[in-house]
Amino acid sequence: GAGVSQSPSNKVTEKGKDVELRCDPISGHTALYWYRQSLGQGLEFLIYFQGNSAPDKSGLPSDRFSAERTGGSVSTLTIQRTQQEDSAVYLCASDRWRGGRNEQFFGPGTRLTVL
Amino acid sequence: DQQVKQNSPSLSVQEGRISILNCDYTNSMFDYFLWYKKYPAEGPTFLISISSIKDKNEDGRFTVFLNKSAKHLSLHIVPSQPGDSAVYFCAASAHYGGSQGNLIFGKGTKLSVKP
Repeated sequence: GAGVSQSPSNKVTEKGKDVELRCDPISGHTALYWYRQSLGQGLEFLIYFQGNSAPDKSGLPSDRFSAERTGGSVSTLTIQRTQQEDSAVYLCASDRWRGGRNEQFFGPGTRLTVL
Repeated sequence: DQQVKQNSPSLSVQEGRISILNCDYTNSMFDYFLWYKKYPAEGPTFLISISSIKDKNEDGRFTVFLNKSAKHLSLHIVPSQPGDSAVYFCAASAHYGGSQGNLIFGKGTKLSVKP
């Protein structure tokens, strides 16, 4: 079946512009996560959606970052007034509870470069 | 402050030998640990996991060992194959048993298996 998809795969933008990154999770997965990986770093948690519950936004680095999940499926991560330090690979993951195993399935990521 | 640490950024192993990747954690609330494998330009893929009630979990050539008293886990790959060459991420969660939260990742160890 189809995995997690993300678009665009690459995005180059100028400092100060807004960007939107899209994630299509695996159908039927109730949880959706956004992470980012900066150069030489591990994956950094940004935000987590679970069903209809309020999202866990504890990982968002600043108020320039926001995310929505419409209809419990597709999610959009928005970065306003981008800065050079926002350059990273942004990864989306989804999962569902499977009796003793909580395994997150990742998309290929969006590589964001802020000039 | 890093809660999950992979102190070796890289590891080189001869084909057929054992690869041992190490991971340390600081948060005693973590009760579920996972290893992900990542190839360039792809998202991480789940490899193997272990809950804190076990000290070993084996899946084919991959075995994960957990030492709770030392807050240490390791991934053993034997025999190593050139296709195992990738970046391996250790991850931990304090929410075993469902889609209840994010994973905390280490910075990764790049494994190179030489033919």
